[in-house]
Amino acid sequence: DQQVKQNSPSLSVQEGRISILNCDYTNSMFDYFLWYKKYPAEGPTFLISISSIKDKNEDGRFTVFLNKSAKHLSLHIVPSQPGDSAVYFCAASGSGSARQLTFGSGTQLTVLP
Amino acid sequence: DGGITQSPKYLFRKEGQNVTLSCEQNLNHDAMYWYRQDPGQGLRLIYYSQIVNDFQKGDIAEGYSVSREKKESFPLTVTSAQKNPTAFYLCASSPLEGQPQHFGDGTRLSIL
Repeated sequence: DQQVKQNSPSLSVQEGRISILNCDYTNSMFDYFLWYKKYPAEGPTFLISISSIKDKNEDGRFTVFLNKSAKHLSLHIVPSQPGDSAVYFCAASGSGSARQLTFGSGTQLTVLP
Repeated sequence: DGGITQSPKYLFRKEGQNVTLSCEQNLNHDAMYWYRQDPGQGLRLIYYSQIVNDFQKGDIAEGYSVSREKKESFPLTVTSAQKNPTAFYLCASSPLEGQPQHFGDGTRLSIL
């Protein structure tokens, strides 16, 4: 039972355009959401997070949007750069039995020059 | 330069042997974690520790064991009871539970 789902295994975008990565969750106890970026043969790197009291958080080229009613979050990267090519994982946590991070399966983003 | 060090990067073992993966952090973080990643899947939690001398099972603890004798160190032993041990193993730490985690670069374990 996947509580955090990234339904697109891969995404290709042109350099300079917007990349939109999506993530859905099912557990209502999740109240904190994170995005990680992972290059091959390296560990994931924390990118940006959002708590459920907000619906948007921005950090430079990266913006995360949270739609609690739809249990959906998205990561927008604009403008996309070739160095953004990596696997992006979304993760979620909450309270009680949900306090540990639950990860999605990842989306491979390829930014074409 | 603070960070998490996992060693070795690649590890080969014969079937039936126990193997221990090292994880050391100099970030002064209280919480440490072990994850397993298989192709096309997300990270799955094996064990975690919120404080020295205490650890808890994650979602897939069977066939694994850990210890947390020092704040800096959280070694993972993959025992012969683990039915499918070949995977990419990631260690992480965070200042406190629930805060963003910092990851090491992983150990790829292959059972021959």
